[in-house]
Amino acid sequence: NAGVTQTPKFRVLKTGQSMTLLCAQDMNHEYMYWYRQDPGMGLRLIHYSVGEGTTAKGEVPDGYNVSRLKKQNFLLGLESAAPSQTSVYFCASSLDLFSTSGTVTYEQYFGPGTRLTVT
Amino acid sequence: QKEVEQDPGPLSVPEGAIVSLNCTYSNSAFQYFMWYRQYSRKGPELLMYTYSSGNKEDGRFTAQVDKSSKYISLFIRDSQPSDSATYLCAMSAGGGNKLTFGTGTQLKVEL
Repeated sequence: NAGVTQTPKFRVLKTGQSMTLLCAQDMNHEYMYWYRQDPGMGLRLIHYSVGEGTTAKGEVPDGYNVSRLKKQNFLLGLESAAPSQTSVYFCASSLDLFSTSGTVTYEQYFGPGTRLTVT
Repeated sequence: QKEVEQDPGPLSVPEGAIVSLNCTYSNSAFQYFMWYRQYSRKGPELLMYTYSSGNKEDGRFTAQVDKSSKYISLFIRDSQPSDSATYLCAMSAGGGNKLTFGTGTQLKVEL
């Protein structure tokens, strides 16, 4: 299994440009998340999805949009990039609140990250 | 004030030392507590998971939760250079699997 993969690994954008980050998971997980990681701020949740066709806002959703058309993919879009969006972006996925064994599991599996610079 | 506070370090220790990493939190609804380890330029990976108060041991790692003090700890015994990484605490009140992360503590174990 590849786990969680992210495309691209690096990107440099000019202010005002748009782009889409792709996250894919092959673990049949229901939940998927997009985080950004900045020095001194830790991981902050941008948007998340609890299943195919659903999305919800996280802690810092402004300037981003997401879509979950297929269960295995979660896309993060920047319509008009700003320097404040320079960050490392991580995608993660997890099982539903309760695993099939009935135990609670909160393990989120993370991708390798995308380093985005907006100039 | 952040919901989860964590000293960013860096923390430098000699090989073989006992390491103590800590987080404090303010949300009394948190009941699921995790420690993630993140190597440089990699994604975080789950290291320890604890529900409610108490201790949990896994090899050289011990996680402690004191809900009365809103304080969690991760102890690493016989630290190794391969333990050099950033350690992130994470917590959840349940529902939606949403996690609140600390900022991470950078640890360096030197030979």
